[in-house]
Order: sequence, then structure tokens, then C-alpha cells
Amino acid sequence: EVRLVESGGGLVHPGGSLRLSCVASGFTFRNHYMHWVRQAPGKGLVWVSRSDADGSILTYADFVKGRFTISRDNAKSTLYLQMNSLTAEDTGVYYCVRDLGTYLTVTPDSWGQGTLIIVSS
Amino acid sequence: DIVMTQTPLASPVTLGQPASISCRSSHSLLHSDGNTYLSWLHQRPGQPPRLLIYKIYNRVSGVPDRFSGSGAGTDFTLKISRVEAEDVGVYYCVHATQFPPMYTFGQGTKLEIK
Repeated sequence: EVRLVESGGGLVHPGGSLRLSCVASGFTFRNHYMHWVRQAPGKGLVWVSRSDADGSILTYADFVKGRFTISRDNAKSTLYLQMNSLTAEDTGVYYCVRDLGTYLTVTPDSWGQGTLIIVSS
Repeated sequence: DIVMTQTPLASPVTLGQPASISCRSSHSLLHSDGNTYLSWLHQRPGQPPRLLIYKIYNRVSGVPDRFSGSGAGTDFTLKISRVEAEDVGVYYCVHATQFPPMYTFGQGTKLEIK
């Protein structure tokens, strides 16, 4: 069974930093593209960032470029999201998402339970 | 950038009756490899989204056959043949783009029981 478990969320002041982790199990982590998707309270889903299978090609939404860094440790089956210069607009649940594809972005086929980030003074 | 537009944004449905959600993209979603990477997700309140259908009409294992996907190019539809209570929640269409590699989501359609 595919399992994605996020951690690292919490309350942070504007301008602060957080590092999210996502531990994967039940599949060969190093074979899959991985993404972070967020959802502000009461709002829809928004794509944040993606790592290819070996972590060499990293892609970001414009609104996080220069502030967030995605990375992965395939030996630990773990995906990360380093979040700096946080603002209130970054508040929401952050989901770790596995893509079905192994050499193409195909579909978000597995989702973690999410970790809540609240940016507030 | 591709924009995904869902209609309706809310859909009150009677139990046992059909429901239909439309998803329209601003550009054709047909990829040069012949596939169309259009999927449908379902999110129940307080839960993460769950993949229902991918590449337009492929149902994920365990998804009831009352769910079906169709469409091509820029127009896609999710149909529920007979709505059950467990189907409430928000449905999202999502396109997986290759250049840049990312997801583009529709706004979501809230399905509720009348």
C-alpha cells in the first residue's frame, strides 16, 4: 500500500521558515516524480513544486520561486520542502503527492494526509 | 498557461439521480504522444483528494463503475450515473503538463445532496 506521511507543519510568523518532510513507503520512491500541492482554508488545490525521480530537475510555481526549495533523499524515501520568507498567503494544508508516471508527469495518483501551515503574527 | 474551468461550481443532486461535471481547458490537452493527461479527483470534507479517473476515462482500481469520464481536446466530463451519499464532496479536474512539468487544477465542483 502506498503511504505518504507529511510532517513539519505548524504556526510560524511572517518572514519565518519551515521545512516539510514526506516519508514514503509501499512503493519504489526513486522511480517516481513527486510534488507538493497546497490548499488554503476553504479553497481549491494549487500546485507548488515538483521533483523528478532523481532530484535533478526541480520545478516551482511562480509564487514560490526563490522562497521554496524542493528536494528528496531517495535513500530515505523522503521528499522535502524548505519554505522561507513565509507570508500569510502561504497558509494552508500542504500535500505530498506521488505522480503515477516514472518518466512523464501523468496524474497525481497518491496523496498524503497533509500538514497544516499557519503563517500569522 | 492553461486554464481549467469547471462547471457548475456547485451541484445539488438527489440520491439515485445522475450528476455531471464539465471541465473545459483554454488549450487542447492532447499531448504529442497521443495521450491526454486529464484526471478527476474527489475530496471529501476533511480528507485529502483521491484520484478517481486518469487520462480522461481510466478508472482507478476500486472506483465504482458509476463514475465515468469522457471528452477530448478541450472539453471533458465526469459523470456519476446514480449519486450515492458517499459521493458528496468536491470534484476537481486536473491536467498534468509536461513543459513545465506541473499540475493545473480546475476550481472544484461541490456535489451536495438535495
